[in-house]
Amino acid sequence: ELKVEQNPLFLSMQEGKNYTIYCNYSTTSDRLYWYRQDPGKSLESLFVLLSNGAVKQEGRLMASLDTKARLSTLHITAAVHDLSATYFCAVDKNTGNQFYFGTGTSLTVIP
Amino acid sequence: ETGVTQSPTHLIKTRGQQVTLRCSSQSGHNTVSWYQQALGQGPQFIFQYYREEENGRGNFPPRFSGLQFPNYSSELNVNALELDDSALYLCASSPRGPLNTEAFFGQGTRLTVV
Repeated sequence: ELKVEQNPLFLSMQEGKNYTIYCNYSTTSDRLYWYRQDPGKSLESLFVLLSNGAVKQEGRLMASLDTKARLSTLHITAAVHDLSATYFCAVDKNTGNQFYFGTGTSLTVIP
Repeated sequence: ETGVTQSPTHLIKTRGQQVTLRCSSQSGHNTVSWYQQALGQGPQFIFQYYREEENGRGNFPPRFSGLQFPNYSSELNVNALELDDSALYLCASSPRGPLNTEAFFGQGTRLTVV
């Protein structure tokens, strides 16, 4: 059974600080996705990582993928309140957008 | 806005009843996947439809079934509803091809079973 684990589950950080969310998965996959979800809302696509060593950056967020270690990271730089949300990583097991999601990381940025 | 629309947005059903949820995929997307997201959990893959055929299924019982229509829209049907079926149901559409792009999610249907 494919398992996708994120840590931490809950993260409270001050504005201006840096932090990293980790996503570990249990099967071979070259495709890893990061999504953001605001309370009561749907999922917003953040990053698509399609190969080992892939790194993508958008604003204060940067995602990377190490397929050999089965690990992806989402790094937050100089956090701002607007980044408060739940972040999910998802692994595409069958290369057909059949996602297995992590447990989610609930991020709260404190002014 | 992702171009993926779901209906209804909210629904309350009684245990034992049946429910149908609908999803219109983004223009040009021929693949629709359905997910169940219980409160405080990550979404769980139910199944995927491609060209009107089921193309992969997660760990859900047969009372969860679906359809995809020629225009690529899709339905999720759940029979004999149980209290644990209460969740946010998300559909995601994506194009089919060798180079995966991200899937785009609809706003979801919040199902409450009482």
